[in-house]
Amino acid sequence: AQSVTQPDIHITVSEGASLELRCNYSYGATPYLFWYVQSPGQGLQLLLKYFSGDTLVQGIKGFEAEFKRSQSSFNLRKPSVHWSDAAEYFCAVGAPGNQFYFGTGTSLTVIP
Amino acid sequence: KAGVTQTPRYLIKTRGQQVTLSCSPISGHRSVSWYQQTPGQGLQFLFEYFSETQRNKGNFPGRFSGRQFSNSRSEMNVSTLELGDSALYLCASSLEGPYSNQPQHFGDGTRLSIL
Repeated sequence: AQSVTQPDIHITVSEGASLELRCNYSYGATPYLFWYVQSPGQGLQLLLKYFSGDTLVQGIKGFEAEFKRSQSSFNLRKPSVHWSDAAEYFCAVGAPGNQFYFGTGTSLTVIP
Repeated sequence: KAGVTQTPRYLIKTRGQQVTLSCSPISGHRSVSWYQQTPGQGLQFLFEYFSETQRNKGNFPGRFSGRQFSNSRSEMNVSTLELGDSALYLCASSLEGPYSNQPQHFGDGTRLSIL
């Protein structure tokens, strides 16, 4: 079955601490991988995406993600979290002509 | 440069009615994708239109349909509304689609409530 799993429903980190949000996927085709962020009451924003090539992808707002094919993972990282990073984060997988799936999301709380 | 505009922002309908939502993409963008977000099912992909053609479709019943006009504006229609159709409907536009190197830009969404 094709799916995206975000094992952590909620994460709390202190401002300035590092962050890693986990994402695992199961997908038949060669996956295109995405991370999105949704701040309270707002629409989605694309943080980054991976298609091919370098497995470490840089995104906006200082985020990066690493694709590990052997582990079917695409974890999102940030070296130093800011209070404004508090939001809901969604991992997604798709491919041209195939179904597109979102994970259930990870809610991030940032403690001052 | 204007962003992605979705209208209306809020909508209340009753079961059995139909509804049409509109999405105006960023100027020059040819791809428009639609997504549904509910507390129970989370985020789900509905469909993508590119140059007036549906290029990709999610797993939704035929009650959900869409179209794209020559100016790239897109509409989605839901017929015979059910309570479970209550959701935030998001659209996103991009130059070439979600699988290109160009970023997608999202609208603020239309919140549809079914009574």
